[in-house]
Amino acid sequence: DAKTTQPTSMDCAEGRAANLPCNHSTISGNEYVYWYRQIHSQGPQYIIHGLKNNETNEMASLIITEDRKSSTLILPHATLRDTAVYYCIVRVLISSGSARQLTFGSGTQLTVLP
Amino acid sequence: NAGVMQNPRHLVRRRGQEARLRCSPMKGHSHVYWYRQLPEEGLKFMVYLQKENIIDESGMPKERFSAEFPKEGPSILRIQQVVRGDSAAYFCASSRSGTAAYEQYFGPGTRLTVT
Repeated sequence: DAKTTQPTSMDCAEGRAANLPCNHSTISGNEYVYWYRQIHSQGPQYIIHGLKNNETNEMASLIITEDRKSSTLILPHATLRDTAVYYCIVRVLISSGSARQLTFGSGTQLTVLP
Repeated sequence: NAGVMQNPRHLVRRRGQEARLRCSPMKGHSHVYWYRQLPEEGLKFMVYLQKENIIDESGMPKERFSAEFPKEGPSILRIQQVVRGDSAAYFCASSRSGTAAYEQYFGPGTRLTVT
């Protein structure tokens, strides 16, 4: 799976949009971009994933550049409860159905400030 | 719709004892993954199972660790003769399919402490 690069930490003011970048310059055409977060001591929480197009759900938006070498996770109105480590993961799609586990890096520690 | 369930949430074992960790996947999910998170470290994949089959155990320590996902009942991660270095949070995840098109959902974890 392609390697990802994320900033170690970021701060965001409560109520403002949090924009978390991820670089995946070696991504292949059959690799998805996934975002998870882990709030302290809890299990990782799925946020969103995408292949080529931008995606939006009730939690966040995922913006993938046209060349797919980078992406940005956007939390539109950050709250204190969004303070967590955010992981950007690229994961290959294998058409045969073989499983691929998630490979977690170090992630970005997002701190939402009151 | 209940999420992934793990029990116990906390488990204390003395060195040399056995630890059994249970995971019930989300309804409709037939793929289970186990991950381990050592203190102050990231999550590491251990094993992937489908019903009655181990598909990928490349992250599993070669000795003392085993996993199963029987036709009926939860998935079990078993650690024999535990040592202090086994103290960690063990997370289970489930998905509808094993391909990357389907997301994995995680349980709350079991925190194992070996004394």
